[in-house]
Amino acid sequence: GAVVSQHPSRVICKSGTSVKIECRSLDFQATTMFWYRQFPKQSLMLMATSNEGSKATYEQGVEKDKFLINHASLTLSTLTVTSAHPEDSSFYICSASLGGAIVNTQYFGPGTRLTVL
Amino acid sequence: GEDVEQSLFLSVREGDSSVINCTYTDSSSTYLYWYKQEPGAGLQLLTYIFSNMDMKQDQRLTVLLNKKDKHLSLRIADTQTGDSAIYFCAEGRSNNDMRFGAGTRLTVKP
Repeated sequence: GAVVSQHPSRVICKSGTSVKIECRSLDFQATTMFWYRQFPKQSLMLMATSNEGSKATYEQGVEKDKFLINHASLTLSTLTVTSAHPEDSSFYICSASLGGAIVNTQYFGPGTRLTVL
Repeated sequence: GEDVEQSLFLSVREGDSSVINCTYTDSSSTYLYWYKQEPGAGLQLLTYIFSNMDMKQDQRLTVLLNKKDKHLSLRIADTQTGDSAIYFCAEGRSNNDMRFGAGTRLTVKP
């Protein structure tokens, strides 16, 4: 159980275009979803935390207008990279938390590799 | 310094034990986690330990926690080539926040 999917797994786009990444919890309802960015040989950097039906909370240094997060339902969150540039190329990983549990266990999606040309 | 620190590389021979170490800074962390990441994939939760525990064993995995020194380790017994991956240590904080180390790349040689 506790499977999280992401779509697409890979995307290549031209500079200036927008890209949407979907994160779905397949067999549970996620009260909270997280978006991370991972650079090569580096740890995951938390970008934002989103709760269903409310605005996302962004980490310091993350541009809200560039990385739009929508958490429309308990099983779906989307990250839209607007006007993407080559420096936005990265591995984006989402996770979902069951919430209400003693253990704050996050279940991670397989990640989306974004390449901006 | 970084919140969570790990050495970046570890190489062992198949059949040996692997020990991956981690130090963290937040003494209020309630849970500490170990995640495994295989190439091109997301993170898979391996195990976690509550901060008031010293040790947790789960099949080939043993987690040791020294809360006084804020030191966490993951021991993998009888390491196999399929264990080759990046292992992330993470501390969980009370506000749902998690902080990850940079990951230790484990290479298992036949």
